[in-house]
Amino acid sequence: DAGVIQSPRHEVTEMGQEVTLRCKPISGHDYLFWYRQTMMRGLELLIYFNNNVPIDDSGMPEDRFSAKMPNASFSTLKIQPSEPRDSAVYFCASSFRGDTQYFGPGTRLTVL
Amino acid sequence: GNSVTQMEGPVTLSEEAFLTINCTYTATGYPSLFWYVQYPGEGLQLLLKATKADDKGSNKGFEATYRKETTSFHLEKGSVQVSDSAVYFCALGNNAGGTSYGKLTFGQGTILTVHP
Repeated sequence: DAGVIQSPRHEVTEMGQEVTLRCKPISGHDYLFWYRQTMMRGLELLIYFNNNVPIDDSGMPEDRFSAKMPNASFSTLKIQPSEPRDSAVYFCASSFRGDTQYFGPGTRLTVL
Repeated sequence: GNSVTQMEGPVTLSEEAFLTINCTYTATGYPSLFWYVQYPGEGLQLLLKATKADDKGSNKGFEATYRKETTSFHLEKGSVQVSDSAVYFCALGNNAGGTSYGKLTFGQGTILTVHP
């Protein structure tokens, strides 16, 4: 079975550029989560969806961040404009009926 | 609100030593409890889980028992290996309903290093 798929695995960009991270959840899962992990702040939940609808976006740092889930098999997290402090590993996870979450391999973002 | 407190690390052990990583929680209702492991450069993987009081989750030699009376879910392994070196996260699932249903509350993570 394919797990959660994230792309790209690594992204290096310059400050001010737009960055789009992508996630394909496990087929049949109805919850999707976006997390950010840094050494300083640990693992933070940014936003999560249920049946493609955003449920809680209170963790989104600011208006520069936006997330969409146009269908059950795809979600994006966009940062525009990006800043060096956005450098982190971004994880996507999915679950079925709010049970065990399965994580993707992450996207390591570096903003120069 | 829900919260998870994990034993602070880092923890350094010799191979074949006994491991305990403490985890206590605060929650309403009867949440599911999880241990996730993160190996260097990878995402979090489910290690084990328990869904009700007195359940014991186990996997790869690791065990944890859901203790409602002490609100704890301590992770144990009888004999660690170098390959167990990783970051371990305790987590609590919100299955009590409401707007937070489906979320996990994570502890801060405990870094384990096992030396040969």
